[in-house]
Amino acid sequence: DTAVSQTPKYLVTQMGNDKSIKCEQNLGHDTMYWYKQDSKKFLKIMFSYNNKELIINETVPNRFSPKSPDKAHLNLHINSLELGDSAVYFCASSLAYEQYFGPGTRLTVT
Amino acid sequence: LAKTTQPISMDSYEGQEVNITCSHNNIATNDYITWYQQFPSQGPRFIIQGYKTKVTNEVASLFIPADRKSSTLSLPRVSLSDTAVYYCLVDYSGAGSYQLTFGKGTKLSVIP
Repeated sequence: DTAVSQTPKYLVTQMGNDKSIKCEQNLGHDTMYWYKQDSKKFLKIMFSYNNKELIINETVPNRFSPKSPDKAHLNLHINSLELGDSAVYFCASSLAYEQYFGPGTRLTVT
Repeated sequence: LAKTTQPISMDSYEGQEVNITCSHNNIATNDYITWYQQFPSQGPRFIIQGYKTKVTNEVASLFIPADRKSSTLSLPRVSLSDTAVYYCLVDYSGAGSYQLTFGKGTKLSVIP
């Protein structure tokens, strides 16, 4: 009965590869988010998605793209992975202001 | 550029009240302030949210002065299990823009 789930929990891959992280929420929320948390624990929003409206943080490289097959899912696709993409990626969802976070996906690019 | 600033770390003894202040000078009329707690290897967890004056729930209080340029999270009688990183989040909606900006987090260490 996990509210926000992410897969995989750990992802190790080589530079240049393309990978995806999946996120699912069973809370019936309208808005979903992707965050990046770097090694210094700084949390930065990457995207938010609400009723097919995508709001992008303009500092996010276009190698990153969110894809929402339905309201309960927001997957993150990353092309041509770079060393600097290594981080923990969190998915979250909300109905109003309170966000529910997933457990995170630790991405390591070698 | 919207900015949310908070102290990097704080120490406290068990049983004491802890106050963590966040500065958000560019906050706009419709922006809310939210605080999250994060334990190692977990996602952040909602603690409290407020707009003005004071909000209290079962775990914390949030004090927001009239100018709303800062906010203070108050944790009463902390225990060892309150050791975590606490993040202030402001939604700088502004005039048609949308920026969710977390502070860099305050690492609270509770000492026995």
